[in-house]
Amino acid sequence: QVQLVESGGGVVQPGRSLRLSCVASGFTFSSYGMHWVRQAPGKGLEWVAVIWYDGSKKYYVDSVKGRFTISRDQSKNTLYLQMNSLRVEDTAVYYCARDEQEAIDYWGQGTLVTVSS
Amino acid sequence: QSVLTQPPSVSAAPGQKVTISCSGSSSNIGNNHVSWYQQLPGAAPKLLIYGNYKRPSGIPDRFSGSKSGTSATLGITGLQAGDEADYYCGAWDGSLSDDFVFGTGTKVTVL
Repeated sequence: QVQLVESGGGVVQPGRSLRLSCVASGFTFSSYGMHWVRQAPGKGLEWVAVIWYDGSKKYYVDSVKGRFTISRDQSKNTLYLQMNSLRVEDTAVYYCARDEQEAIDYWGQGTLVTVSS
Repeated sequence: QSVLTQPPSVSAAPGQKVTISCSGSSSNIGNNHVSWYQQLPGAAPKLLIYGNYKRPSGIPDRFSGSKSGTSATLGITGLQAGDEADYYCGAWDGSLSDDFVFGTGTKVTVL
């Protein structure tokens, strides 16, 4: 069965960096685009970034452009989100998710990132 | 900020039907497929509808989706207590680049 397991969340000060990881299993990782989606406490879903199945294209929400980088390691079935220059407003649960037929069909359980001084 | 607009909340009694609207534009719903997600309290989102009206395996036919122009609708019939959750629409948006956008979210309350 498809499994997506995020890790790397935690408490970090504003301006610092954090890298999230998502290990995928149960499907051919290299055949699927992958997303990061976040949800601030008590708020709705916000799409963060997507990477094409082969890593050839990457797109970001405006609020993280220039600060966050999505990447993947096909040999490790792992998706990453490098987050630099973190802001208080980046505080959220970050979900790793799989892209399929113009929808997001599988989601991880999420990892909490708290940006606070 | 969300570019897909949903009503903040809808409610109905058990067994009744609710509909949730999702309003967008030509850059998203008007030219791309719509998907719907259910988020139960404390859980990760779950795909309910993709390709405007298709249901993944395991999703009961009480859930239905439709699209017309730049709007989409999720319908839930035979409402159950377990359907109480937040629901989000989603679609690709090609206005500036290929972004995916979610709706503002709708809380469904079973009275």
